[in-house]
Amino acid sequence: AQSVTQPDIHITVSEGASLELRCNYSYGATPYLFWYVQSPGQGLQLLLKYFSGDTLVQGIKGFEAEFKRSQSSFNLRKPSVHWSDAAEYFCAVGAPNFGNEKLTFGTGTRLTIIP
Amino acid sequence: ETGVTQSPTHLIKTRGQQVTLRCSSQSGHNTVSWYQQALGQGPQFIFQYYREEENGRGNFPPRFSGLQFPNYSSELNVNALELDDSALYLCASSFRGVTNEKLFFGSGTQLSVL
Repeated sequence: AQSVTQPDIHITVSEGASLELRCNYSYGATPYLFWYVQSPGQGLQLLLKYFSGDTLVQGIKGFEAEFKRSQSSFNLRKPSVHWSDAAEYFCAVGAPNFGNEKLTFGTGTRLTIIP
Repeated sequence: ETGVTQSPTHLIKTRGQQVTLRCSSQSGHNTVSWYQQALGQGPQFIFQYYREEENGRGNFPPRFSGLQFPNYSSELNVNALELDDSALYLCASSFRGVTNEKLFFGSGTQLSVL
């Protein structure tokens, strides 16, 4: 069965500093990988996704993620965070035969931005 | 704004009751999925409907059921509510038939079971 681990429950970063959120997955083949962001009281917004090809994926809002098969990781990065990036971030893995509809999510990382 | 709307936004029920949550998919989408997000957890896949038929189910008991209508709106029904059913229920729609099509989430229905 597929699974996702986000080791960091809560991360605090200063505005303007760089950010890396960790994600490790377990899946038998090459998975579909996703990062979503959730603001309080809101649904999930897709930041970026990896299906195949270039292992460095660019997303919205200046985020990027790198797929590393050898480490079963798909870490999210941003070179300089803004106060508006404060939110909950979820990594997810999908089964290719289901496309992107049946996703397994991690437990999330809450990001706090300090001035 | 994703174009996926859910109603109601909040709901309070008591244990043993039944509840129906509604979702209106983005225009043109033929697939709807439902997720349960307990407090402090990531969303968990409940089931998915494609062209009005259940097309995949997560680890949820049969008292969780759904419907998808010809206009691609959808319902999630939960019978015999339990305290652990308290959660945010998210609906997501997409169009199957296009490679790598995106999943659009609604803002959810917050269900409290007392």
